[in-house]
Amino acid sequence: DAKTTQPNSMESNEEEPVHLPCNHSTISGTDYIHWYRQLPSQGPEYVIHGLTSNVNNRMASLAIAEDRKSSTLILHRATLRDAAVYYCILRRRQGGSEKLVFGKGTKLTVNP
Amino acid sequence: KAGVTQTPRYLIKTRGQQVTLSCSPISGHRSVSWYQQTPGQGLQFLFEYFSETQRNKGNFPGRFSGRQFSNSRSEMNVSTLELGDSALYLCASSLRPNEKLFFGSGTQLSVL
Repeated sequence: DAKTTQPNSMESNEEEPVHLPCNHSTISGTDYIHWYRQLPSQGPEYVIHGLTSNVNNRMASLAIAEDRKSSTLILHRATLRDAAVYYCILRRRQGGSEKLVFGKGTKLTVNP
Repeated sequence: KAGVTQTPRYLIKTRGQQVTLSCSPISGHRSVSWYQQTPGQGLQFLFEYFSETQRNKGNFPGRFSGRQFSNSRSEMNVSTLELGDSALYLCASSLRPNEKLFFGSGTQLSVL
C-alpha cells in the first residue's frame, strides 16, 4: 500500500503562513495527492487535491514537487480555526476500484 | 443540504456482542465508505459501497461486514465484539467513487 510520511506535529502563530510537508516516495503515476483535515470531535473534511501541478483553492494551496515524491500544503494565514490534524493521502486505484491509505497526520497547533 | 448522518453517536457494548452502525449519505451521493479510527492505528479503511455493491475492502477480519441499500444508506456490522474494536467509526459519502469525500461525525464505540 502507498504510504505517506508527515511530521507528528507542527506549531504556528495566528495570521502567519504554515507549510505542512508530506513525503510519498512510493507514489505511482496515477496517484492523486489529497489533503484532509480533522478538527476535534469531527470527521475529516476535504482541503485540496492535485496530481502534478500546484493547486489553489479558497482554503489552501498545494505545492507538488517535480518528481511528485513530496508535497506541501500551504495555509496562507493561519487562524485558530485551522488547528486540526492534517492528513496527506494518496488516492490509489487498485483493481479498478480504490482504497484510501491514510498517513498518521500532522497535528497543527495555532498560537494566538 | 444535510451532511452525512451517522447513528448512534455513542455506543457501549460488551465483548462477544454484535453491533450495527448506520450511515445516511448526503442526498444524491451514491458511494459510501467506512473507516475505523483509533489512537494507535489512526484512520483505516474498512470498505466502500457503490450502488449496493461492495467495491473494495480493507484488511479487517470477516467479523466486520457492511451493506448498502437502494436509497444509498449504509450499515456496518461487527459481530463477536472484541476490546480492540473500541474505536471511532467514520462514514463518508461521495457522488461517485474516487471523488471528494464528505465525512460524518462518526460513531464512538466502546467495548467493555
